[in-house]
Amino acid sequence: DTGVSQDPRHKITKRGQNVTFRCDPISEHNRLYWYRQTLGQGPEFLTYFQNEAQLEKSRLLSDRFSAERPKGSFSTLEIQRTEQGDSAMYLCASSLIGTKSSYEQYFGPGTRLTVT
Amino acid sequence: AQSVAQPEDQVNVAEGNPLTVKCTYSVSGNPYLFWYVQYPNRGLQFLLKYITGDNLVKGSYGFEAEFNKSQTSFHLKKPSALVSDSALYFCAVRDIPGGGANNLFFGTGTRLTVIP
Repeated sequence: DTGVSQDPRHKITKRGQNVTFRCDPISEHNRLYWYRQTLGQGPEFLTYFQNEAQLEKSRLLSDRFSAERPKGSFSTLEIQRTEQGDSAMYLCASSLIGTKSSYEQYFGPGTRLTVT
Repeated sequence: AQSVAQPEDQVNVAEGNPLTVKCTYSVSGNPYLFWYVQYPNRGLQFLLKYITGDNLVKGSYGFEAEFNKSQTSFHLKKPSALVSDSALYFCAVRDIPGGGANNLFFGTGTRLTVIP
């Protein structure tokens, strides 16, 4: 399977704990995006990388959130001191800029976070 | 600021009938418009996009969408609905480079139910 993969698929944690999610994009894609989706809403942009550079962050990305893409391949999203309001589906997407398919983002299955 | 509206939370259609899922948008520049579909426990799947060119765009699974600049709409259509089309549909918009962000802004989604 050459699609976007995310790990874990589900995470249950207690308030105040730290969690880390991983995203493996489609291998040749140079852009990687993180979104958050809550029940009844569309995905909301958090941040994106072009290769290893984090180029944009949403105001939704509080100081407790950090994302990395150290070698321009996989990415991690860490949430420190989780709060119940962080409960959501975290989606990763990737795209290849510079082709006729530019701007088409391909999404992974998501990581569902539940903070108790 | 970019925004997308999907005025119908739920659309029901009989199998074999034509379907329309509505989307209107607001952007500061020229829009890139997208439709995605989300099946249960699966990630968002790209259906089609409008960048430039013909106002009628054809996509995956027999879906098409019509870009209407004067009405700022990008409605999704299919001539004959299948039960397997039942899913959650999201419209999304992106400003072109230089006018805004590189991420997608999503609507709140429309749940399509095709009745056998």
